[in-house]
Amino acid sequence: DIQMTQSPSSLSASVGDRVTITCRASQSISSYLNWYQQKPGKAPKLLIYAASSLQSGVPSRFSGSGSGTDFTLTISSLQPEDFATYYCQQSYSTGTFGQGTRLEIK
Amino acid sequence: QVTLRESGPALVKPTQTLTLTCTFSGFSLSTSGMCVSWIRQPPGKALEWLARIDWDDDKYYSTSLKTRLTISKDTSKNQVVLTMTNMDPVDTATYYCARTRAVAGIPTLDYWGQGTLVTVSS
Repeated sequence: DIQMTQSPSSLSASVGDRVTITCRASQSISSYLNWYQQKPGKAPKLLIYAASSLQSGVPSRFSGSGSGTDFTLTISSLQPEDFATYYCQQSYSTGTFGQGTRLEIK
Repeated sequence: QVTLRESGPALVKPTQTLTLTCTFSGFSLSTSGMCVSWIRQPPGKALEWLARIDWDDDKYYSTSLKTRLTISKDTSKNQVVLTMTNMDPVDTATYYCARTRAVAGIPTLDYWGQGTLVTVSS
């Protein structure tokens, strides 16, 4: 099975900060990488697909990059509504998720 | 408008079989490229991918759970059913279904149901 490892597991930041979350796959997954945002009590929401493509309706402050085994999600200027948990997911083989990164207000 | 809704028992006993139904609208599972996946999330923990069924009836399962899972579809009813056998308290979780579509050739969970909490307890 392909394992997905996110770092950090949690992160404290302030409104306006630039934040980067990383995701590493245990083997090459090309660009078969998606990012989701989840708020408490809600279903996850697709942010980025195919490693770097922005889902329709998602603000442009979100961006993704990477291929192979190393990927990043960047939020260029944090907004209050961005404090949530973020998950990466590989869809190269079945659909493993990372363990999540909880983004908290500093 | 794409919507998905999970339904099933809120409480099951250990060793019982869980049957969950995902009822969807706004797309058809007979359309090429359309799929439905199941994902679960234990309270306070991470998401776990469980299974996927494709428009052509191909099925994929989590390696660690494949002996316990069965996924099926009823295209005429716009439903996907997931069964999980031999339930245990560690299977307590919110279970989600999600539309899965190949975007740029990459399977992507683009619409999710609200989830249903299943508790396993005697």
